[in-house]
Amino acid sequence: AQKVTQAQTEISVVEKEDVTLDCVYETRDTTYYLFWYKQPPSGELVFLIRRNSFDEQNEISGRYSWNFQKSTSSFNFTITASQVVDSAVYFCALSEADTNAGKSTFGDGTTLTVKP
Amino acid sequence: EPEVTQTPSHQVTQMGQEVILRCVPISNHLYFYWYRQILGQKVEFLVSFYNNEISEKSEIFDDQFSVERPDGSNFTLKIRSTKLEDSAMYFCASSGPGGAGNTIYFGEGSWLTVV
Repeated sequence: AQKVTQAQTEISVVEKEDVTLDCVYETRDTTYYLFWYKQPPSGELVFLIRRNSFDEQNEISGRYSWNFQKSTSSFNFTITASQVVDSAVYFCALSEADTNAGKSTFGDGTTLTVKP
Repeated sequence: EPEVTQTPSHQVTQMGQEVILRCVPISNHLYFYWYRQILGQKVEFLVSFYNNEISEKSEIFDDQFSVERPDGSNFTLKIRSTKLEDSAMYFCASSGPGGAGNTIYFGEGSWLTVV
């Protein structure tokens, strides 16, 4: 069975601080996909990144960066120079490779509050 | 940019009533999903649908639930005999060929309140 753990329930930072959201996963598959989604107060789910299990390169997109470490089963997300608009719930998710189903298991989410 | 659209955005229904939540997936996508998020909790997988049949479902998706793709464009979730605990945000999602390897695009959700 697959499992995603986001140990940080809530994080509060002051604008311009860097913040890292942790994600640890469990799976028996060797091929899987990891995702991060942002859920702003308006409620929609916004896709941020997908990473497959064979690609351990870290990725940077503007102020966002992701650190995938297979050895520790972690896929952490860092926001650099945080802004108030970054305030949201962030979900990490895992999908095991399957040709028919994109079933994703989500973590409990981390609520990030960025104060001005 | 293509998007998944859901209707209604919010529905209030009385306990015991049937509701149908509607979704229009992205047109060239092949996989369709419903997820549920109870207020303040995580997003939970309900069901995936491919090639006009359910490909996988979770323990939550019992006989009270059904899905249908009635006309080649819409994808519906029917909830029979609604209970208070069915109150949640229901997200429809779709993805292209490749299943789990593709990005899953979510709609904006349908908020169901059972009273």
